[in-house]
Amino acid sequence: NAGVTQTPKFQVLKTGQSMTLQCAQDMNHEYMSWYRQDPGMGLRLIHYSVGAGITDQGEVPNGYNVSRSTTEDFPLRLLSAAPSQTSVYFCASRGTLGSYEQYFGPGTRLTVT
Amino acid sequence: AQSVTQLDSQVPVFEEAPVELRCNYSSSVSVYLFWYVQYPNQGLQLLLKYLSGSTLVESINGFEAEFNKSQTSFHLRKPSVHISDTAEYFCAVSEVLAGNQFYFGTGTSLTVIP
Repeated sequence: NAGVTQTPKFQVLKTGQSMTLQCAQDMNHEYMSWYRQDPGMGLRLIHYSVGAGITDQGEVPNGYNVSRSTTEDFPLRLLSAAPSQTSVYFCASRGTLGSYEQYFGPGTRLTVT
Repeated sequence: AQSVTQLDSQVPVFEEAPVELRCNYSSSVSVYLFWYVQYPNQGLQLLLKYLSGSTLVESINGFEAEFNKSQTSFHLRKPSVHISDTAEYFCAVSEVLAGNQFYFGTGTSLTVIP
């Protein structure tokens, strides 16, 4: 049981490039989410999904795209990277029914130059 | 949307001294409350949670937090800290009737001094 996995651990992009951050969980959790963590700002929700085929926006969705084709995977796409997207990105999952404990992945540190 | 306030961004404390990390939230509706801990270069781990029942909740490593509805607070305490408690601590809130979103505070960096 690997929990929540994220790849890559580190990534450097140039402004305007696109990329996909991968997230997978093996706990059969319905709810998955993406956060970004910036100094002095805590964690802010980017997008979340309550099940395959269902996604919704969080607090800071601009510049990011998500899809949920399977229960296990929830990739985050940066369409055209900007320096303001330099951050640490965390994926999290939890079971929906009566469970409020979120399990976090180890994070992806992204730098946009 | 919820607002979660952690007033202390950094808390230095000597080993074996007590510590309190403060958390206040804005909602007047029913909420679930959480404390997460983040060790360097790692993801967040759940430390403890309040869902219902007793307003005092405890973790396995000696931390406790008390839910105070009238003051909309959920402060985290430990009577005697260890070096290994050095980490970033985040308070989080989720509304009972709209539980799809978690709102996190900005975090408190706890440094335990030998």
